[in-house]
Amino acid sequence: AQSVTQLGSHVSVSEGALVLLRCNYSSSVPPYLFWYVQYPNQGLQLLLKYTSAATLVKGINGFEAEFKKSETSFHLTKPSAHMSDAAEYFCAVSEDRGSTLGRLYFGRGTQLTVWP
Amino acid sequence: EADIYQTPRYLVIGTGKKITLECSQTMGHDKMYWYQQDPGMELHLIHYSYGVNSTEKGDLSSESTVSRIRTEHFPLTLESARPSHTSQYLCATSTGGGNIQYFGAGTRLSVL
Repeated sequence: AQSVTQLGSHVSVSEGALVLLRCNYSSSVPPYLFWYVQYPNQGLQLLLKYTSAATLVKGINGFEAEFKKSETSFHLTKPSAHMSDAAEYFCAVSEDRGSTLGRLYFGRGTQLTVWP
Repeated sequence: EADIYQTPRYLVIGTGKKITLECSQTMGHDKMYWYQQDPGMELHLIHYSYGVNSTEKGDLSSESTVSRIRTEHFPLTLESARPSHTSQYLCATSTGGGNIQYFGAGTRLSVL
């Protein structure tokens, strides 16, 4: 089974500062990779998805993530944090591409706090 | 607008009660999932369905059951709720090979 490790359960940044949320996955074959965001009292919303078409993936709200096969990492970044970015972020990895279920394995999440 | 609806959003009940958490979708997706979410933990897959009349248990041992009689409806039932069932339950759907899952807003359950 796949697994995902998110380093840092809490990250705090000032408004306008760089956001970096770390994610490492365990797999010898790069699967699909995802970042989701969850705002309070809401479900998870897709931020971006890696499909092997490009190693740098751009998502919504100015976020992007870079796939690095040699490091088995898929870190999420945003150049300038906004107060509205405060939320919990989940990294997820899919099963092998041949799977018909489309199962996802999630990390434990990183709570992002943005200070004014 | 296509969406995923979960009801109720919040539920507080006593031990031993039977409850059903509803999940309905207008996405037209074939696959549906139930996750259990607790603070600081991974989302745990507890049930999934490939389509009508298909249901399977996920990784997390769960005392709940599900049914899939219609494509758009995937209810989760607890026959006898216990305090250990206190959690947030998320319903999700997907289709095709893209593996993107779309989530409902969740049901937050508290069992006293």
